[in-house]
Amino acid sequence: NAGVTQTPKFRILKIGQSMTLQCTQDMNHNYMYWYRQDPGMGLKLIYYSVGAGITDKGEVPNGYNVSRSTTEDFPLRLELAAPSQTSVYFCASSYRLREVYEQYFGPGTRLTVT
Amino acid sequence: AQKITQTQPGMFVQEKEAVTLDCTYDTSDPSYGLFWYKQPSSGEMIFLIYQGSYDQQNATEGRYSLNFQKARKSANLVISASQLGDSAMYFCAMREGNNQGGKLIFGQGTELSVKP
Repeated sequence: NAGVTQTPKFRILKIGQSMTLQCTQDMNHNYMYWYRQDPGMGLKLIYYSVGAGITDKGEVPNGYNVSRSTTEDFPLRLELAAPSQTSVYFCASSYRLREVYEQYFGPGTRLTVT
Repeated sequence: AQKITQTQPGMFVQEKEAVTLDCTYDTSDPSYGLFWYKQPSSGEMIFLIYQGSYDQQNATEGRYSLNFQKARKSANLVISASQLGDSAMYFCAMREGNNQGGKLIFGQGTELSVKP
């Protein structure tokens, strides 16, 4: 199993550009998440999904959109990139085992907006 | 208000000694879970240990143990016999409720440095 994969690993965007961060998991997990990590900080939830076709906002959703058309894929769309979106983006997936939702993280995408 | 608080931005420990990383949390939900993750300088997030709010015993995983004090709302991570490879950022996280999709709230992290 590859686990959770993210592409690209690094990206530099100009202000106002758009891009899609890709996330794929091969563990057949129902739950998927997008977090961002600003320098020296913990992770903050952007969006999450409890299954194909179902998404919901997290703590910091402004400026982002997601879709979940399949169990495996959960892309994150940035529209009109702003310097405040400079961050490391982590995708994660989990399944429910009793009440434990252990999250498996991807390697992250480092995004710089200039 | 902060839901997860890690008050130690940085910690030093001598190799082979034990170290405790502090974490306090705030929730009114009777059902919750507490996680610790390790983030080495390479950036990946590594799951270490989990404690459920109804678990009667403190969780242990190898050299990691979680000192869970429910009344004080604290969930401190204890690393025994520190190794140089333990140098990393450590994050405490909380999952509130059982039916909210498992989303996590993270603390700001503690940077642990292990000295030889």
